[in-house]
Amino acid sequence: GESVGLHLPTLSVQEGDNSIINCAYSNSASDYFIWYKQESGKGPQFIIDIRSNMDKRQGQRVTVLLNKTVKHLSLQIAATQPGDSAVYFCAENIDGGNKLVFGAGTILRVKS
Amino acid sequence: EAGVTQFPSHSVIEKGQTVTLRCDPISGHDNLYWYRRVMGKEIKFLLHFVKESKQDESGMPNNRFLAERTGGTYSTLKVQPAELEDSGVYFCASSQDIGGKLFFGSGTQLSVL
Repeated sequence: GESVGLHLPTLSVQEGDNSIINCAYSNSASDYFIWYKQESGKGPQFIIDIRSNMDKRQGQRVTVLLNKTVKHLSLQIAATQPGDSAVYFCAENIDGGNKLVFGAGTILRVKS
Repeated sequence: EAGVTQFPSHSVIEKGQTVTLRCDPISGHDNLYWYRRVMGKEIKFLLHFVKESKQDESGMPNNRFLAERTGGTYSTLKVQPAELEDSGVYFCASSQDIGGKLFFGSGTQLSVL
């Protein structure tokens, strides 16, 4: 079936640098996308979301970009900090409810 | 405000045994969801309650899994009998509205030996 997938399983960045985590999705009918952060021993935590009528949305130090033409989603983290180290999941809301389809996850490691 | 809480945080059982996982959603959240992540794969949807009713149980893998939400408050997910492939992390989440922001619990790590 259709699913959301990630390009890079692990990303290592130097503290202070910017991070970019990528995600590809295959369901062109999806209209809502979410990024989650999962730290060790915790559940996924909401970071930022975007609807398909937008191509960019900014939060505090995070930006999500949506390219519907190539079905690509990215999460940008500015000035990456050690506390950003976690697994990041993109998720696709395929039915307007909360039945999310998750990607496999990207591990972000921040080097001090 | 308390978040979504799950119990136990870890469970180790033998194949063939029964395990019951519990989830307490955020107070006032009518929508409760179960997800799981097995074998390091993607987190996958299991089912969705609206209050005490099952809205969508299309992700339940087989009839060894039984979810209940009597009274529309906390929910339980029972696996009987457990199989090796059931090992993984079971997450519960809740939201106030359908399509609203999901809040996840810390999960229950289930190991079936």
